[in-house]
Amino acid sequence: EIVLTQSPGTLSLSPGERATLSCRASQSVSSNYLAWYQQKPGQAPRLLIYGASSRANGIPDRISGSGSGTDFTLTISRLEPEDFAVYFCQQYGVSPWAFGQGTKVEI
Amino acid sequence: QLQLQESGPGLVKPSETLSLNCSVSGDSITSRNFYWAWIRQPPGKGLEWIGCVFYSGTAHYLPSLKSRVTISLDTSTNQFSLSLTSVTAADTAVYYCARRPVGYATDVWGQGATVTVSS
Repeated sequence: EIVLTQSPGTLSLSPGERATLSCRASQSVSSNYLAWYQQKPGQAPRLLIYGASSRANGIPDRISGSGSGTDFTLTISRLEPEDFAVYFCQQYGVSPWAFGQGTKVEI
Repeated sequence: QLQLQESGPGLVKPSETLSLNCSVSGDSITSRNFYWAWIRQPPGKGLEWIGCVFYSGTAHYLPSLKSRVTISLDTSTNQFSLSLTSVTAADTAVYYCARRPVGYATDVWGQGATVTVSS
């Protein structure tokens, strides 16, 4: 099983600042099948990034993903009020399609 | 527009079986293009992938749950289901059904169904 470790657990920032979230895999992620999701309270997760660096439909270009192999990063270049949420990474290259434990981005 | 909707009991007694259905509208569960998955989230915690089923009926499960879980398709109703046996309080969670296109990430989620395990 691939284990994903996200850091930091919580990121305290202000609107307009840059957010950098990390996701590290215990072994190489097949075909860079690494996704990022945003979740707000009481809502289902929303897909942001797939294939490590491709934005899903409707995702603004201030949100970007990068990385390969075992180290991946989600960057939000300038935080908007709606970006304060919890972010999860997930690998979907091999079963089980594990999630990281999440990073909370708070004001 | 694809929509997924979970349904099932909100309260299950310890040692009994948790059963949930996911109704799929806007697409066919027999399509070769998709996996159909279940994911859960205990209160205040992160996401846990439970397993998935392909159009052929082939299923994959989280190893720690494999002895208790079954995910299956019902092509007559265009639904897929989750069965989790011998539940305990640790199985209390919001359960989401979701779609994952082949070669893509999980892109459509249901709204989630809250299931509490309690006597």
